[in-house]
Amino acid sequence: NAGVTQTPKFRVLKTGQSMTLLCAQDMNHEYMYWYRQDPGMGLRLIHYSVGEGTTAKGEVPDGYNVSRLKKQNFLLGLESAAPSQTSVYFCASSRTGGTGELFFGEGSRLTVL
Amino acid sequence: DQQVKQNSPSLSVQEGRISILNCDYTNSMFDYFLWYKKYPAEGPTFLISISSIKDKNEDGRFTVFLNKSAKHLSLHIVPSQPGDSAVYFCAASGGSNYKLTFGKGTLLTVNP
Repeated sequence: NAGVTQTPKFRVLKTGQSMTLLCAQDMNHEYMYWYRQDPGMGLRLIHYSVGEGTTAKGEVPDGYNVSRLKKQNFLLGLESAAPSQTSVYFCASSRTGGTGELFFGEGSRLTVL
Repeated sequence: DQQVKQNSPSLSVQEGRISILNCDYTNSMFDYFLWYKKYPAEGPTFLISISSIKDKNEDGRFTVFLNKSAKHLSLHIVPSQPGDSAVYFCAASGGSNYKLTFGKGTLLTVNP
């Protein structure tokens, strides 16, 4: 019963480097989300997807790109990392969107030097 | 503009007493509200929810109250236990919006 799995769990990048965070869910959920958590800021939505092949912008999408080529996977990309993107990133999925329970992964801690 | 506000960054209570966590919202389109609990180094987990057609929902030690006219909801934990020590996030959704909007969270510490 894996639920939502995020890889990698930790990563250190230098400014300007690129990387991709992978989120995989095994619950056959339609909706998937990427959030970032920063001290004193709570959880802020970066991008989300309402189904395979779809993506949409959230509150703080700048500097990130996403893809949902397969229903079970939601990828978050940083093309040119900046120190402001140092954060803990959480992926989540749900069956029924806004009124449904979100299931979160354990988080990915990213540090950009 | 912060649509979901948790104005208390932290709360400390004694074991066995009641914990009351508060949340205010500004968006009149919100019609579904949830509370999530988060331990350090873990992802948030769903705790309890309430639809705007109700004013109270209870699940064991946890009760959520919704006051639509005041745009205010609260989470009551009775009795509080040390294992309840965590960050609690209030979240809301509404209309055709598939997204949840989260508050900044309240750190609850339950002292033995």
